[in-house]
Amino acid sequence: SAVISQKPSRDICQRGTSLTIQCQVDSQVTMMFWYRQQPGQSLTLIATANQGSEATYESGFVIDKFPISRPNLTFSTLTVSNMSPEDSSIYLCSATGWDTIYFGEGSWLTVV
Amino acid sequence: QKEVEQNSGPLSVPEGAIASLNCTYSDRVSQSFFWYRQYSGKSPELIMSIYSNGDKEDGRFTAQLNKASQYVSLLIRDSQPSDSATYLCAVKGSANTNAGKSTFGDGTTLTVKP
Repeated sequence: SAVISQKPSRDICQRGTSLTIQCQVDSQVTMMFWYRQQPGQSLTLIATANQGSEATYESGFVIDKFPISRPNLTFSTLTVSNMSPEDSSIYLCSATGWDTIYFGEGSWLTVV
Repeated sequence: QKEVEQNSGPLSVPEGAIASLNCTYSDRVSQSFFWYRQYSGKSPELIMSIYSNGDKEDGRFTAQLNKASQYVSLLIRDSQPSDSATYLCAVKGSANTNAGKSTFGDGTTLTVKP
């Protein structure tokens, strides 16, 4: 199994600012993903974090708003840029090992 | 049609009863299927994974998969109040088919009443 550490776990952010979330996995994993879960909703995939190259974004998500890095197999960052209240959400880092999906504990962002 | 659909909730069962959660998926080449439990304010935690047709049992939980019907279910026997949570069905393709991505259903909220 893999343990995923995310930080910050929670933050209150001012409108118009940007915040970077870090995700560290304790073992090598094949794929890393970033999800968003808005209040009362299910998980929505933002992008696949690709090692050493640009992330692959899902429809409705763009690099300018959600830049993602993955410099090595076990670490990734997601930046939420120019935040608005609509970005208030849980952001979850996910990784897949041998066909199992692991989640970090999430980063709870509130934009005021 | 959603890629992964779960039976609409909320679902309420008395303590000790069997809770049945259902999920259908649209992508026939899906290979891996997961059930997650999510308590309010927490991230999802894996309960069961299933990859081949049939039943898979783990304690009070049984996952059932029928690829021909594109259907996966989760049974919780002897339901406890601590089982009250939202249950998410997830379907994962292979790296060659869907870039290894997973799709989640909207979740079914279960309440077990003492």
